[in-house]
Amino acid sequence: AQTVTQSQPEMSVQEAETVTLSCTYDTSENNYYLFWYKQPPSRQMILVIRQEAYKQQNATENRFSVNFQKAAKSFSLKISDSQLGDTAMYFCAFKGAQKLVFGQGTRLTINP
Amino acid sequence: SQTIHQWPATLVQPVGSPLSLECTVEGTSNPNLYWYRQAAGRGLQLLFYSIGIDQISSEVPQNLSASRPQDRQFILSSKKLLLSDSGFYLCAWNRGLNTEAFFGQGTRLTVV
Repeated sequence: AQTVTQSQPEMSVQEAETVTLSCTYDTSENNYYLFWYKQPPSRQMILVIRQEAYKQQNATENRFSVNFQKAAKSFSLKISDSQLGDTAMYFCAFKGAQKLVFGQGTRLTINP
Repeated sequence: SQTIHQWPATLVQPVGSPLSLECTVEGTSNPNLYWYRQAAGRGLQLLFYSIGIDQISSEVPQNLSASRPQDRQFILSSKKLLLSDSGFYLCAWNRGLNTEAFFGQGTRLTVV
């Protein structure tokens, strides 16, 4: 069964700092996708970034980038130049042939 | 364009009463459909997913059930609610392996 683990329940950094959120997963599938979603206080789920398992190049979206280590089954999210609006819950997610499974989330607070 | 509707937004129900939450998707066909529950400040727990109209998989044994009476309609039900069923319920859909999931606005259920 697929599992996603986020080991950091909460993180807090100062505005403009760089922060890295950790995620590990377990699967026996070879073809899958990994995602990071953001959930602000409104509870709306917003896609931050996605990574295809068979692509070695790490995905990047503006200030957001990932460090995908397939052999280690690790998928961390780096937020550069953090902004107050980045304050939210962040969820790592795995999509295999069928299920879309989420981690427990990391509550990130950006302090002014 | 594709949209997802989930209702109601808020629901207060007494213990032992039935439950019916509805989710419909527009603008696509044969979507993968998901029901998640989110306890306060916690992660997204996958409850049910469906890859086709007659294919519903249950992830967590509980007193909830799901049905898919039409291709783009997904219903979460219970015959008798428990206090522990309180939470935030999210419906989501996606297509295929690599597309992001799109979420409804959620239902905040309080069982009293």
